[in-house]
Amino acid sequence: GIQVEQSPPDLILQEGANSTLRCNFSDSVNNLQWFHQNPWGQLINLFYIPSGTKQNGRLSATTVATERYSLLYISSSQTTDSGVYFCAVCPGGGNKLTFGTGTQLKVEL
Amino acid sequence: GAVVSQHPSWVICKSGTSVKIECRSLDFQATTMFWYRQFPKQSLMLMATSNEGSKATYEQGVEKDKFLINHASLTLSTLTVTSAHPEDSSFYICSAGGLSSYNEQFFGPGTRLTVL
Repeated sequence: GIQVEQSPPDLILQEGANSTLRCNFSDSVNNLQWFHQNPWGQLINLFYIPSGTKQNGRLSATTVATERYSLLYISSSQTTDSGVYFCAVCPGGGNKLTFGTGTQLKVEL
Repeated sequence: GAVVSQHPSWVICKSGTSVKIECRSLDFQATTMFWYRQFPKQSLMLMATSNEGSKATYEQGVEKDKFLINHASLTLSTLTVTSAHPEDSSFYICSAGGLSSYNEQFFGPGTRLTVL
């Protein structure tokens, strides 16, 4: 099956810093989503981005489908950004999400 | 829009009992619902896919007789963990798709199951 790897696995930032999270996948996809899992376990949809670039406030994402990777940018990080960030993909022709390994982010004062 | 609820949010039960978890799409009709399982410090693993009115499709290694899934309507899917044992303790999360023509999924808040 498709492999989804995220980097870095762990990240500690000072409040106000910027960061880039990466998601690499091993096959073509028809869906790519970025999520933030908060400390209570809720998955919050950040972006639906199988290709192209999107921005939402301090967050933006870019997917280069032909090169099989996606990037999530967090600018001016805040302590509330702490948690685990997952990317998840659907292989072409399917509707089942395969989740990546996750990036654990901690933003400190 | 795109709100998915789960009930209960947490449950503690004795070994050998059965537990039912409900997943509802509150403001849209979900043509497909998915059930995931997440162990501490790990990623989400898909357990099964369910479509309204048809049998669920289980992923390899998931016991369909232990994890019974019913998708009775376009807004409700249930997962029943039968004869639960301590190794079934986990965080169970459902998702729903079908809000738009895209295959974007929206997730419920999860149910934490502890089997004593």
